[in-house]
Amino acid sequence: GAGVSQSPSNKVTEKGKDVELRCDPISGHTALYWYRQSLGQGLEFLIYFQGNSAPDKSGLPSDRFSAERTGGSVSTLTIQRTQQEDSAVYLCASSPDRRPLAKNIQYFGAGTRLSVL
Amino acid sequence: ELKVEQNPLFLSMQEGKNYTIYCNYSTTSDRLYWYRQDPGKSLESLFVLLSNGAVKQEGRLMASLDTKARLSTLHITAAVHDLSATYFCAVTTSGTYKYIFGTGTRLKVLA
Repeated sequence: GAGVSQSPSNKVTEKGKDVELRCDPISGHTALYWYRQSLGQGLEFLIYFQGNSAPDKSGLPSDRFSAERTGGSVSTLTIQRTQQEDSAVYLCASSPDRRPLAKNIQYFGAGTRLSVL
Repeated sequence: ELKVEQNPLFLSMQEGKNYTIYCNYSTTSDRLYWYRQDPGKSLESLFVLLSNGAVKQEGRLMASLDTKARLSTLHITAAVHDLSATYFCAVTTSGTYKYIFGTGTRLKVLA
């Protein structure tokens, strides 16, 4: 596709439910990132994938959060037993993982706005 | 731990005026990025700065990097309404793919 695609664009859920957020990166991009953006805040790094592996999971806020990537393409971020503090916009980005790293510009999706009631 | 601070957080300015947004980071970084985010939209990459003294310009925006001071600036020249957006800087540490973002500067250009 032309850009990074995220779905759904909006998700309203009840506290305690599980949610899955999907990211389709730009074709051929090997690096994929998930971020969380709370209202009026900057971006909080959650997890990074290189291919299908996640060498850096340090940003996941709790064990309720998990992510996977299959086929070096689509990624899913899962939040179990959602809490109200999970409400935020979840952004996905991909990059081509070029060398030198200077060329490793991130391209962002439009995000999924998650509201936990 | 790498931390990134931006100031000001909010900026309201008149069209035609000049202003500078500052981005300070706490430890050595090998790359610094500037992004723009329009309301309700995603982030768009503006500049990548790699070395001390690097300067990049696009239209009315100019970004510079001082690695010794751990400071980057985004200078706005003769602002126009279309520049109204939130601007973020982000840095990475050497050899990593982890991007640390600043809190953003919300710019509003008044006609």
